[in-house]
Amino acid sequence: QKEVEQNSGPLSVPEGAIASLNCTYSDRVSQSFFWYRQYSGKSPELIMSIYSNGDKEDGRFTAQLNKASQYVSLLIRDSQPSDSATYLCAVKGGGGTSYGKLTFGQGTILTVHP
Amino acid sequence: GAGVSQSPSNKVTEKGKDVELRCDPISGHTALYWYRQSLGQGLEFLIYFQGNSAPDKSGLPSDRFSAERTGGSVSTLTIQRTQQEDSAVYLCASSLAVDGYEQYFGPGTRLTVT
Repeated sequence: QKEVEQNSGPLSVPEGAIASLNCTYSDRVSQSFFWYRQYSGKSPELIMSIYSNGDKEDGRFTAQLNKASQYVSLLIRDSQPSDSATYLCAVKGGGGTSYGKLTFGQGTILTVHP
Repeated sequence: GAGVSQSPSNKVTEKGKDVELRCDPISGHTALYWYRQSLGQGLEFLIYFQGNSAPDKSGLPSDRFSAERTGGSVSTLTIQRTQQEDSAVYLCASSLAVDGYEQYFGPGTRLTVT
């Protein structure tokens, strides 16, 4: 079992729709969760962080965390063609000296078509 | 303010040569991270620094890889006797501290070993 798994995609949604990206993780002691967006040929850009169970909203983005289910998701409302990118789920934590590192999922490619 | 910077942006080297990759973190960030991204392996952790110390080097692929950080700022990742499988994008990130803070990525160094 991979440490961080994302829905494989690719995901295609029409402009204006809600895009839903999902991620599960295996390490129960993980404490911090992040979503990065990566455009082709560019480096990852942080778009959301979430540390507590529940929802966190920032503009058109909502991150949801359920530690009991070891599940984190990202909703993008009113999707725009400019949202087309690869979305990376990253999990931080665990214990000991590995606390600092991020473990990434394989990414989900999102395409928003006009 | 200025983000994470990395140099060079591109590096082409012959198999067997040594290379040095440089990372300059965001001013005031005490934690610095190195990751590698390749098509087959996704985004994988290499090493991180808290100040000048490296609590976790577990991601370094072999003893040909080493990294150092001096003055709590600039870091250098050195790859000795490069191999073709070292070809990847090497990404550096920094955060205000290790505990509970987001990591921000630099633009990366694309390394090609011929």
